[in-house]
Amino acid sequence: ETAVFQTPNYHVTQVGNEVSFNCKQTLGHDTMYWYKQDSKKLLKIMFSYNNKQLIVNETVPRRFSPQSSDKAHLNLRIKSVEPEDSAVYLCASSRRGRYTLYFGAGTRLSVL
Amino acid sequence: GDSVTQTEGLVTLTEGLPVMLNCTYQTIYSNPFLFWYVQHLNESPRLLLKSFTDNKRTEHQGFHATLHKSSSSFHLQKSSAQLSDSALYYCALFFGGSNAKLTFGKGTKLSVKS
Repeated sequence: ETAVFQTPNYHVTQVGNEVSFNCKQTLGHDTMYWYKQDSKKLLKIMFSYNNKQLIVNETVPRRFSPQSSDKAHLNLRIKSVEPEDSAVYLCASSRRGRYTLYFGAGTRLSVL
Repeated sequence: GDSVTQTEGLVTLTEGLPVMLNCTYQTIYSNPFLFWYVQHLNESPRLLLKSFTDNKRTEHQGFHATLHKSSSSFHLQKSSAQLSDSALYYCALFFGGSNAKLTFGKGTKLSVKS
């Protein structure tokens, strides 16, 4: 049963464009994350938010910016995409103090 | 820094043989939390096992693992592989502090053949 919803499923765009990805969780969790899964299947954390506050910000390019309106939503904006941004972006959530992550289905980004 | 090292690349097994995927970790924290996540084709990762307790076996869906702090290991095992076990397996380490986060190993692809 899906409880972390991501849109869109796929997005194809050109270098230099701006894209936004949405994530919503209905689990009542208060911590949300963005992970990037590249073509080699490496899973790397990008950001995490706890109750709308940024708590982890890994070394990602400044063109990436997370946005949280409430604890159930965490979006990701990429200002000017580059070819190396092609990947699957996975949103996840967890309960504070519990470290089990629940992942969404992912958004696959292809940059031409 | 904190890191996770797994059996690299692809592990190919014949159905019915035992599964062992290695995971070792490095952390400055004395109380690490270790996880195994599984990702089937065209799906997202989901939790398979987790452990916080030293030398205690944890089991789920036929898989088991024991956290050994003395050797910094959390190997994943199963007595008899099934075709449906073919997937990508990630070992992950949670370490706390002000920047608490879950760090994943590079993943081990398990392919079970008949």
